[in-house]
Amino acid sequence: KAGVTQTPRYLIKTRGQQVTLSCSPISGHRSVSWYQQTPGQGLQFLFEYFSETQRNKGNFPGRFSGRQFSNSRSEMNVSTLELGDSALYLCASSLDIGNSPLHFGNGTRLTVT
Amino acid sequence: SQELEQSPQSLIVQEGKNLTINCTSSKTLYGLYWYKQKYGEGLIFLMMLQKGGEEKSHEKITAKLDEKKQQSSLHITASQPSHAGIYLCGAPLSSGSARQLTFGSGTQLTVLP
Repeated sequence: KAGVTQTPRYLIKTRGQQVTLSCSPISGHRSVSWYQQTPGQGLQFLFEYFSETQRNKGNFPGRFSGRQFSNSRSEMNVSTLELGDSALYLCASSLDIGNSPLHFGNGTRLTVT
Repeated sequence: SQELEQSPQSLIVQEGKNLTINCTSSKTLYGLYWYKQKYGEGLIFLMMLQKGGEEKSHEKITAKLDEKKQQSSLHITASQPSHAGIYLCGAPLSSGSARQLTFGSGTQLTVLP
């Protein structure tokens, strides 16, 4: 079974621009979550999607948004990029059963200059 | 908000030695997950603990959950260079959000051959 796939792997953007990151979950997984990882703040929850609906949202500004498609694939968007948005963005998928664990992709490394 | 504190922050051991990593929560634990991460890559799921007193093993790695102490430990027996990486514990913020995890800051493990 293929794992969680994230594209692109690396991205360099300029302040003020916007960016879209993509995530394909493991086949059969309908829950997709996004996390931001930085050296200073560690791993922080962004949001979770299930059946095309946002189920939970972390404490991030409205510039961070996401969506999920009917095939469970998900995208997240960051508008008006700031230098502090430079991070590893990780997508995770899971079965929506009890405490099913999250399975993470290799992430997208975003650098904002 | 719930915090997970990991100790030690970093660990350097000689190949063949045993080691323990601890994860302590400031609030009630509704299950706990252990992950391993290679620098700049995604998280690899190791184990999930759901009940107090639960203990799980996979190859040379054993994890235990002490609900009363709100603590989990990860023990590696006869460490190998392949065990090197960052170990992260993660836990749900509440019993109803199994996929919204708070993570510890990680333990960087180096195994010297």
